[in-house]
Amino acid sequence: GQQLNQSPQSMFIQEGEDVSMNCTSSSIFNTWLWYKQDPGEGPVLLIALYKAGELTSNGRLTAQFGITRKDSFLNISASIPSDVGIYFCAGQHTGGSQGNLIFGKGTKLSVKP
Amino acid sequence: NAGVTQTPKFRILKIGQSMTLQCTQDMNHNYMYWYRQDPGMGLKLIYYSVGAGITDKGEVPNGYNVSRSTTEDFPLRLELAAPSQTSVYFCASSGAGVMNTQYFGPGTRLTVL
Repeated sequence: GQQLNQSPQSMFIQEGEDVSMNCTSSSIFNTWLWYKQDPGEGPVLLIALYKAGELTSNGRLTAQFGITRKDSFLNISASIPSDVGIYFCAGQHTGGSQGNLIFGKGTKLSVKP
Repeated sequence: NAGVTQTPKFRILKIGQSMTLQCTQDMNHNYMYWYRQDPGMGLKLIYYSVGAGITDKGEVPNGYNVSRSTTEDFPLRLELAAPSQTSVYFCASSGAGVMNTQYFGPGTRLTVL
């Protein structure tokens, strides 16, 4: 099945640092989503992007929908310990079933206090 | 609102046993989904439903069955459990329309021995 390439797979950062992660695809998506998953929990939506070039912020999080519609990135500024978790990107096509969310493999974020 | 609830939280099955994973949502969402998440991987869609009485296959439906008799409930059934079905299962729901967010339950961790 189709997959997204998400990088990096994991990262350790110092508290207060900025974080950047991205997803790329070989095909075009009409929606990009970024989720965070805490241990033992389901994914929670952080940011949704619906238009190529769109830049959206949610507190310390900023995400952009790539102009080519084949990529997206997520930035976290001034990281804090509660940012620890796994971040997933997901792409969605339109015109087909709404169930067609394609997920990346995740970026595991660990913060050193 | 409780959102999306799943039971059980954990289960161990022997090969060949059957079980039903329960999922309920109280947000009056039309769309419901079942995903599985294998270690180090993103989520993959098993089945989804666009409303009561309507279900359709996702990317990895083999070995599973679903039904949707009410708007609230979307159970997932494993008829003959196999070790390859060891995974964490997430149920999600969303409203209609491509811009509607999928809300995830806390997951069911299933081990087949």
